[in-house]
Amino acid sequence: DIVMTQGALPNPVPSGESVSITCRSSKSLLYSDGKTYLNWYLQRPGQSPQLLIYWMSTRASGVSDRFSGSGSGTDFTLKISGVEAEDVGVYYCQQGLEFPLTFGSGTKLEIK
Amino acid sequence: QVQLKESGPGLMQPSETLSLTCTVSGFSLTSNGVGWVRQPLGKGLVWMGTIWAGGSTNYNSAVQSRLSISRDTSKSQVFLKMNSLQPEDTGTYYCARHVRSGTRVSHFDYWGQGVMVTVSS
Repeated sequence: DIVMTQGALPNPVPSGESVSITCRSSKSLLYSDGKTYLNWYLQRPGQSPQLLIYWMSTRASGVSDRFSGSGSGTDFTLKISGVEAEDVGVYYCQQGLEFPLTFGSGTKLEIK
Repeated sequence: QVQLKESGPGLMQPSETLSLTCTVSGFSLTSNGVGWVRQPLGKGLVWMGTIWAGGSTNYNSAVQSRLSISRDTSKSQVFLKMNSLQPEDTGTYYCARHVRSGTRVSHFDYWGQGVMVTVSS
């Protein structure tokens, strides 16, 4: 199985600051079709996860342009430019290259 | 708009069989896959299995021997059945629309609200 490893944030983060959340995969997620199958989700407290970014850098419908995804085949970053109160929650990365789909353990964001 | 909603019993006994229903609207099960994801209390997300638009299924090997996913397209419902429940099966169960990209398994673009299942004697 592909193992997804996420980094931690120096919580709490001051409102308005920009943060980067890291994720690493145990296998390259770059496929021969040119897409990198890495996705990002946000789970706000008490809510279900919502898709933020798919294929490493494509924002999902309705997602603020403060969120951006980048990376290589195995190292990825979700950047939030100017965190706001509504960004609080746990961020998960997920690989969509092969079965079984696997998620990172999550990165918690708290705001000061 | 796209919606998914899980339903099922909240409390189960060890060794029982869990039956959950995911009722979808705003899209067709014959054009989209639906997956199930479990989240133990206070922990992360674990993919359990998916039923695809054509009716085929894929399961996580960790639960494959106990899990069955089926559907009724006329009712826009997807079903999860898992037998031999144990306390470690306790958690929130989500159904989500599963997007496939060519031959890749890709991502989940819409999620249900989740249903909490507790396995305890």
